[in-house]
This record gives sequence, C-alpha cells and structure tokens, in this order.
Amino acid sequence: NAGVMQNPRHLVRRRGQEARLRCSPMKGHSHVYWYRQLPEEGLKFMVYLQKENIIDESGMPKERFSAEFPKEGPSILRIQQVVRGDSAAYFCASSPGTAPVNTGELFFGEGSRLTVL
Amino acid sequence: SQQGEEDPQALSIQEGENATMNCSYKTSINNLQWYRQNSGRGLVHLILIRSNEREKHSGRLRVTLDTSKKSSSLLITASRAADTASYFCATDLPYSGGSNYKLTFGKGTLLTVNP
Repeated sequence: NAGVMQNPRHLVRRRGQEARLRCSPMKGHSHVYWYRQLPEEGLKFMVYLQKENIIDESGMPKERFSAEFPKEGPSILRIQQVVRGDSAAYFCASSPGTAPVNTGELFFGEGSRLTVL
Repeated sequence: SQQGEEDPQALSIQEGENATMNCSYKTSINNLQWYRQNSGRGLVHLILIRSNEREKHSGRLRVTLDTSKKSSSLLITASRAADTASYFCATDLPYSGGSNYKLTFGKGTLLTVNP
C-alpha cells in the first residue's frame, strides 16, 4: 500500500516562473492537506481539500498560490510568479476522514523542495 | 495564536541514554501529537495523546501531557543512532463540530544520538 506520493521531490525555478507540485494521497484517503516548511521552521498549514472542493485555504497566501484536487488525478499546488521567499519544502498529507477524530494522524509525503533562484 | 514550542532546540546524547524533549503550547487543545522527521524526509507520526489522557507509551516512547501547564514531554529510552532526527509536537484545536485537521507545529528539537 503506497504512502502519500509527492513529485517532484526537488524543483528549481527562476523568479517569475511557475511551480506545480503534485500529491497523490494514500489509497483510500479522500482528504488532502498542504503544509509549508521554511528553513529551520515547523510546518505551517496552507490548505485542506477534498475531491473537487477546497474546504479551508486560510493558510494559503491570497495571491499567486492556488490548489486543486480534481475528481481524477493528484492534488496540485500551484505557485505562480515565484519569488525567493517561496523557497521551502512543501508537504502534502492525507487522511481517510473529515476530522481524523479516531486516530488524529496525518500521513505525510516526502515533500517537494522548491528552490527559487 | 496557539503554537507548540519544543525545548531544547537541539539535544546531543550518547547511544543508550534517554532523550527527553518538551513541548509547550498556548491554548486549549483537542489532542497533541509527536512527529519525527529525518533530514530531508517527510514527517512520520509517532504518537498521539488526547487532552483527557496524561501518559501514553509506545515501544521506547513515553509521552506525558499536563493540560494545566499546557505542556507535553516525549521520552525516548535506550536511544539508538537511528533515532537521530528532528522531533516536532503538533496540536489542534478542541473539536468544535468542524474538522480538527489544522495542526500547529513547533520548530522542533534536533536530536543527535552519537554511536
């Protein structure tokens, strides 16, 4: 049973380019979460999605960032016109239910490390 | 805003010794979790303790929770070199009928276990 799959693992972009990060949740999981980790920092919540729905994007910057989780295919985190401050590790996590009340556990992928030159 | 803060920021011990890491937070929580992150890797869930629990064990891990002090500790006994990693505590808000998915992570404790 494959875990949460993220790609690419490493991405280098120049300022002004677009970055697309993909996440396939664990089998059987329909809830996806994106977190960002800046160097020497803890993870910060960005967005929570279910299939075809954005449930909570309160942690996502209002401009340049967008996320989707289509009916078919992986969840995508898109960053337009990247700036140096976007350099970070972006982690996707998934869970089987709305509120993981029973286990509380989020299952994390290995992360996508974005470097903006 | 509520936040978990780990202490110490870094800890270096010898193999076989015990390692204790602490976490403090600011507001009421539903539960508190500990995660491990090896360098350059994703987070791995270690243990979850609910707000009505005081202590929990899992293998060589022991977690305590003191809601009156808003603090938790993670004890790793008989440490191994493979335990070298960053350890994060994560908290979520009391369940309010909505989803309690929005974990708040601290900056972590970097544990180094020397062989």
